Amino acid sequence: DAKTTQPTSMDCAEGRAANLPCNHSTISGNEYVYWYRQIHSQGPQYIIHGLKNNETNEMASLIITEDRKSSTLILPHATLRDTAVYYCIVSQRNAGNMLTFGGGTRLMVKP
Amino acid sequence: DTGVSQDPRHKITKRGQNVTFRCDPISEHNRLYWYRQTLGQGPEFLTYFQNEAQLEKSRLLSDRFSAERPKGSFSTLEIQRTEQGDSAMYLCASRGEGALPGYTFGSGTRLTVV
Repeated sequence: DAKTTQPTSMDCAEGRAANLPCNHSTISGNEYVYWYRQIHSQGPQYIIHGLKNNETNEMASLIITEDRKSSTLILPHATLRDTAVYYCIVSQRNAGNMLTFGGGTRLMVKP
Repeated sequence: DTGVSQDPRHKITKRGQNVTFRCDPISEHNRLYWYRQTLGQGPEFLTYFQNEAQLEKSRLLSDRFSAERPKGSFSTLEIQRTEQGDSAMYLCASRGEGALPGYTFGSGTRLTVV
């Protein structure tokens, strides 16, 4: 799996949009971008994934650049409950592949 | 609750003792994964099963570690002769064929070796 690079930490004001960047310059054509988050003392939680088109669900939006070398996870209206570590992972979609986690971005949402 | 269940949530053991953890995946998921997470780090892959077959093991899984999934349903992870370096959160995840693309993780078992 390709490696990803994320900032170690970010702050965001409650109610504002949180934009979390991820670089994946060595991503291959059949690899998807996945985002997970981990709230303290819980297991990681799936947020969203995409191949090359932008994606949106009830939790977040995912913007992938045209060259696919980077992406941004957007939490449109961050709440205190969004404080967590956010992991960007690239992986083939085959069900057998394990996920390779990096260090993630620790997002702190402040009142 | 139809999520992934792990038991126990916390385990404190003395160095040298054996411990066993259990994972109950989502019932229709045929793939089950074990990860280990130390403080401040992302989860690291240990091993994975497709049904009852253990298909891949990380080099992190030393000879003291063994995992089973005897009937393709629940799985156990055993650590023999525990060492202080085994202290970590042990996470289980499951995934089915097709359907949702994401893995579903349990809340983990936190092991402390004293």
